[in-house]
Amino acid sequence: DAKTTQPTSMDCAEGRAANLPCNHSTISGNEYVYWYRQIHSQGPQYIIHGLKNNETNEMASLIITEDRKSSTLILPHATLRDTAVYYCIVIGVLTGGGNKLTFGTGTQLKVEL
Amino acid sequence: GAVVSQHPSRVICKSGTSVKIECRSLDFQATTMFWYRQFPKQSLMLMATSNEGSKATYEQGVEKDKFLINHASLTLSTLTVTSAHPEDSSFYICSARVFGTGGYEQYFGPGTRLTVT
Repeated sequence: DAKTTQPTSMDCAEGRAANLPCNHSTISGNEYVYWYRQIHSQGPQYIIHGLKNNETNEMASLIITEDRKSSTLILPHATLRDTAVYYCIVIGVLTGGGNKLTFGTGTQLKVEL
Repeated sequence: GAVVSQHPSRVICKSGTSVKIECRSLDFQATTMFWYRQFPKQSLMLMATSNEGSKATYEQGVEKDKFLINHASLTLSTLTVTSAHPEDSSFYICSARVFGTGGYEQYFGPGTRLTVT
């Protein structure tokens, strides 16, 4: 699975958009970009995933560059409850038992008043 | 999204005893379940993968005789930490994978905080 690079930490003002970047320059054509987040002392929470098209759901938007070497997770109106560690994971298609989700160090997002 | 539960949420045990942690998929049947461990200020580390009715596959460096995994049904997996020692104190998180509308999806439990004294 392709490696990812994320900033260690980011700050965001409440109500503003939080844009979390992820570099995955070695991504291959059949690998997806997944985003999870982990609020302190809780299990990870699935946010969104995509292959090459931009994706949006009720939680966030995922923008993937045309060459697929980087992506940005956008939380449109960050709240204090969005303070968490955000993990960008690149992985081949999830199957019944294969392609295991492995977590890097992620980005600690701190949303402040 | 689908819900995964864990029990207990936190447990304190004495060194040398065994502790069992349960992981349940509440509203779906999981094709595969995973167990992770997380030490303070570190990321999640995958310990093992298990499929219902078959033996778990352990990651390199994880002792299979110490961390016993039983996956008896499509909704229940258990992790037993045998002869626990203080260095086993950690946050244990299970995860369940299911085939959804967009392909396979993976959901995580809330975690179990184990403290060995």
